Amino acid sequence: QKEVEQNSGPLSVPEGAIASLNCTYSDRGSQSFFWYRQYSGKSPELIMSIYSNGDKEDGRFTAQLNKASQYVSLLIRDSQPSDSATYLCAVTRYTGNQFYFGTGTSLTVIP
Amino acid sequence: DAGVIQSPRHEVTEMGQEVTLRCKPISGHNSLFWYRQTMMRGLELLIYFNNNVPIDDSGMPEDRFSAKMPNASFSTLKIQPSEPRDSAVYFCASGHPGEVADTQYFGPGTRLTVL
Repeated sequence: QKEVEQNSGPLSVPEGAIASLNCTYSDRGSQSFFWYRQYSGKSPELIMSIYSNGDKEDGRFTAQLNKASQYVSLLIRDSQPSDSATYLCAVTRYTGNQFYFGTGTSLTVIP
Repeated sequence: DAGVIQSPRHEVTEMGQEVTLRCKPISGHNSLFWYRQTMMRGLELLIYFNNNVPIDDSGMPEDRFSAKMPNASFSTLKIQPSEPRDSAVYFCASGHPGEVADTQYFGPGTRLTVL
């Protein structure tokens, strides 16, 4: 079983819609959760971090965490073509520990 | 403040040659990670350092790979001898200590092609 699982997609949504990206993890000791965005040919870019159960909002992005279900998601409201990228979920246990990355979900926002 | 710096950005070499990739982490960050990314295998952690000390190198494919971090501002990843299957994008990331865990910031990557 992989540490972090994501649907590879591709996920396609029309411009203006809500994109929902999901991630599950296997280690119940995980404490910190991150979403990275990676454009084709570029490096991963941190867009959200979440540490507590519930929702965390930052602009059009909302991260949701449910530790009991070992589930973390990213919602992108009012999706734009510029959101088209691969989104990587990452988890870690504590400071100084390695990150475990999912394989990423490819998102395409159709104008 | 400058981000993570990697050099070279592109490297094309022939099988059997030695390849050295370089990374300068963000100042003040105390952890450093080397990753390899391919279409087939995604993002793989090769090795990571805390306070310049290697913590986990279990991701290093084989003895042909080695990494060093002689000081807080510089790290190298060396492949000797290189093979075509080593062709990938190699990322360096540095970690900012946070309240709960580090936050990793990635460099631009080195695209390695071994012919």
